[in-house]
Amino acid sequence: DTAVSQTPKYLVTQMGNDKSIKCEQNLGHDTMYWYKQDSKKFLKIMFSYNNKELIINETVPNRFSPKSPDKAHLNLHINSLELGDSAVYFCASSPKETKRGETQYFGPGTRLLVL
Amino acid sequence: GEDVEQSLFLSVREGDSSVINCTYTDSSSTYLYWYKQEPGAGLQLLTYIFSNMDMKQDQRLTVLLNKKDKHLSLRIADTQTGDSAIYFCAEGGFSGGYNKLIFGAGTRLAVHP
Repeated sequence: DTAVSQTPKYLVTQMGNDKSIKCEQNLGHDTMYWYKQDSKKFLKIMFSYNNKELIINETVPNRFSPKSPDKAHLNLHINSLELGDSAVYFCASSPKETKRGETQYFGPGTRLLVL
Repeated sequence: GEDVEQSLFLSVREGDSSVINCTYTDSSSTYLYWYKQEPGAGLQLLTYIFSNMDMKQDQRLTVLLNKKDKHLSLRIADTQTGDSAIYFCAEGGFSGGYNKLIFGAGTRLAVHP
């Protein structure tokens, strides 16, 4: 009965590679998010999708490309990985995007290490 | 701009109360949240408070909101070793008309016997 799930849980890869992280939510929510948590545990939003449409795109390199095949899935593809991309990436979802302060539910995180 | 600040560390003795403080800048935030992150784990929503409330209590957790000073606190009564974690304060912000969370840097709570 997992609410927000992410795969893989751990990802170790070489610099320059291309990798994808997948996220799925079974809560019936309309909005999904990607957050990045750096080594100092600082957590910052990267993207938000509402019903498959991109609505928030913070200052993120264009090597990062989110894709939402349907409203239950939001994947994150990263091209030409760099050392600085090493972080924990959290997916989250919330019921509605326009209701201010709507509670967000987080996945377990994907720990990415770029060597 | 939007900013959330928290002290980085707190150490308490088991059985004592813990108080974690947070300040935020967006006075129009409707909800304020506390999330917990245990070592190696994801974020767990602990509690939240609506901006028209001063206090919310949920078992061992008490949230106090001073909207005038934009100050939020989380009190954990009878702190246990299992409460050791990072606690994130977050405000419900808006970007281009859409909801997003602005997180503080997290307060690392260490509970010792």
